[in-house]
Amino acid sequence: GIQVEQSPPDLILQEGANSTLRCNFSDSVNNLQWFHQNPWGQLINLFYIPSGTKQNGRLSATTVATERYSLLYISSSQTTDSGVYFCAVDPFFTGANSKLTFGKGITLSVRP
Amino acid sequence: KAGVTQTPRYLIKTRGQQVTLSCSPISGHRSVSWYQQTPGQGLQFLFEYFSETQRNKGNFPGRFSGRQFSNSRSEMNVSTLELGDSALYLCASSLGGGSEQYFGPGTRLTVT
Repeated sequence: GIQVEQSPPDLILQEGANSTLRCNFSDSVNNLQWFHQNPWGQLINLFYIPSGTKQNGRLSATTVATERYSLLYISSSQTTDSGVYFCAVDPFFTGANSKLTFGKGITLSVRP
Repeated sequence: KAGVTQTPRYLIKTRGQQVTLSCSPISGHRSVSWYQQTPGQGLQFLFEYFSETQRNKGNFPGRFSGRQFSNSRSEMNVSTLELGDSALYLCASSLGGGSEQYFGPGTRLTVT
């Protein structure tokens, strides 16, 4: 099946710093999503971005589908950005079905 | 628009018992997927239902089953519980076909 690798596995930042989280995937995808998992376990949607670039406030994301990677940018980080960030993909070969394969996640700690 | 809801939120069961978890999707969404999250294996796909039909299944034993009703609500059942079934079970809904998935708050199952 498709492989999803996220890097770095852990990231420690000082408040106000910028960061880039990376997601590499091994095959063509129908869907790519970035999530932030809150302390209670819920996955919060950040971006649905199978290709192209999107921005939402201090966060932006870029997916280069032909090169099979996606980047999540966090600017001017805040302590509330702390948590685990997941990249998940829906492989192209599943067609009309929906089946997300997740990376192992990136644990971000933002220090005041 | 109401989000995805899951009940119960927490559950404690003993080995050998069975359990049923419930998921109500976002209104208008016909695809419901289930995922298991454990510290060791991360987030893994269990199965997807669309219009009451199972379209996709992950690599889980037959003790894990599910169904979807005509109103798109879904249930998953785990029979003969094992200690390793302790996990956070997440449900997601979407319009299907690789579209954006939205997750519920999860059910945290503890098997003792």
